[in-house]
Amino acid sequence: EVQLVESGGGLVKPGGSLRLSCAASGFTFSSYSMNWVRQAPGKGLEWVSSISSSSSYIYYADSVKGRFTISRDNAKNSLYLQMNSLRAEDTAVYYCARDGTVVRGFDYWGQGTLVTVSS
Amino acid sequence: DIQMTQSPSTLSASVGDRVTITCRASQSISSWLAWYQQKPGKAPKLLIYDASSLESGVPSRFSGSGSGTEFTLTISSLQPDDFATYYCQQYNSYLFGQGTKVEIK
Repeated sequence: EVQLVESGGGLVKPGGSLRLSCAASGFTFSSYSMNWVRQAPGKGLEWVSSISSSSSYIYYADSVKGRFTISRDNAKNSLYLQMNSLRAEDTAVYYCARDGTVVRGFDYWGQGTLVTVSS
Repeated sequence: DIQMTQSPSTLSASVGDRVTITCRASQSISSWLAWYQQKPGKAPKLLIYDASSLESGVPSRFSGSGSGTEFTLTISSLQPDDFATYYCQQYNSYLFGQGTKVEIK
């Protein structure tokens, strides 16, 4: 069974940093591109960042470029999001999501982890 | 960047109704479009990919159509479990539409 479990969320002050993790199981993690998607309270979905299976290709939304860094460790079946210079508008539930290969879409999602940026 | 415009933002419907949600792209995205369903407090669920392909396990009352710049998600006969928010996503730059909340009429 495919499972994605996020962790690392919490309360952080503006300007602070946080590192999110996503532990993957039930599939060959190293074969799939992975993504972070966030959802601010009461708002819609916002794609944040993507990383290819071998980390060769990395993309960011303009809203986080230069502040967030996506990475992965295929040996540990883990995806990460390093978030620096956090702002109030980064407050959201952060989901990791698997990029389908045959299926063009995000076919599996974690349960999400809440990041709150507030003084 | 390719922008996605989803409509309506809210839709009130009854069980058994046929429901259609539209997603328009600011430029052609071929068939690179996915649809998701999200219920409160839950992660999104993939329903449709490549504009019209039904994801495994998704009921056949859901269907997708369109190509280029205009796409639709149709629920042929709305069921109680279908009251949720639906999002389109273009698979060029992964941008999501604003969402359509399907409410009970």
